Amino acid sequence: DIVLTQSPLSLPVTLGQPASISCRSSQGLVHSDGNTYLSWFQQRPGRSPRRLIYQISNRDSGVPDRFSGSGSGTDFTLKISRVEAEDVAIYYCMQGTGWPWTFGQGTKVEIK
Amino acid sequence: EVQLVESGGGLVQPGGSLRLSCTASGFTFSSSWMTWVRQAPGKGLEWVALINQDGGGEFYLDSVQGRFFISRDNAKNSLFLQMNSVRAEDTAVYFCTGANEPGTTNYWGQGTLVTVSS
Repeated sequence: DIVLTQSPLSLPVTLGQPASISCRSSQGLVHSDGNTYLSWFQQRPGRSPRRLIYQISNRDSGVPDRFSGSGSGTDFTLKISRVEAEDVAIYYCMQGTGWPWTFGQGTKVEIK
Repeated sequence: EVQLVESGGGLVQPGGSLRLSCTASGFTFSSSWMTWVRQAPGKGLEWVALINQDGGGEFYLDSVQGRFFISRDNAKNSLFLQMNSVRAEDTAVYFCTGANEPGTTNYWGQGTLVTVSS
């Protein structure tokens, strides 16, 4: 199975400051079709997950542009340019290149 | 508006069976990959099963292979998960999810809680 390792697991951030979450894969995530199926999800307390980013860097409709994704190969990053109170959540990376699809352990973003 | 509504969760004894259902609306169900994802209490997310658009392809997490079975009824916009021989470690909120593109999921239900306990 492809293992995704996120860091840090806990991220205290000051409002208005940037935040960055790393996701490293145990294998390259380029699919045989040439695409890289790496997504990012946000799960607010008590809520279902919501996709923010797909195929490394494509932002979903309605997602604020302060969220961005980048990376290639086995190293990927989710960045929040200026953290707002509503961004308090657990963030998961996820790969859909190989079955079983897998998630990272999650990174808890909280306000300092 | 996209909606996925799960039902069928509850308390079940170890070794017992349960059938989860999910009714979809607001998107083209028959063109979508559908999956079940679970989240044990206080834990992270875990894929359980995936089914392709016409139901001809299924994939399962190793730990549920042979015990859980995913199926769909495109005429009724419905997804199912038959859970047999359940174990305590199957206790989780089960989410129905879907996508109209490969390798990801962007539609999520609210989840249904399955508790395996005697």
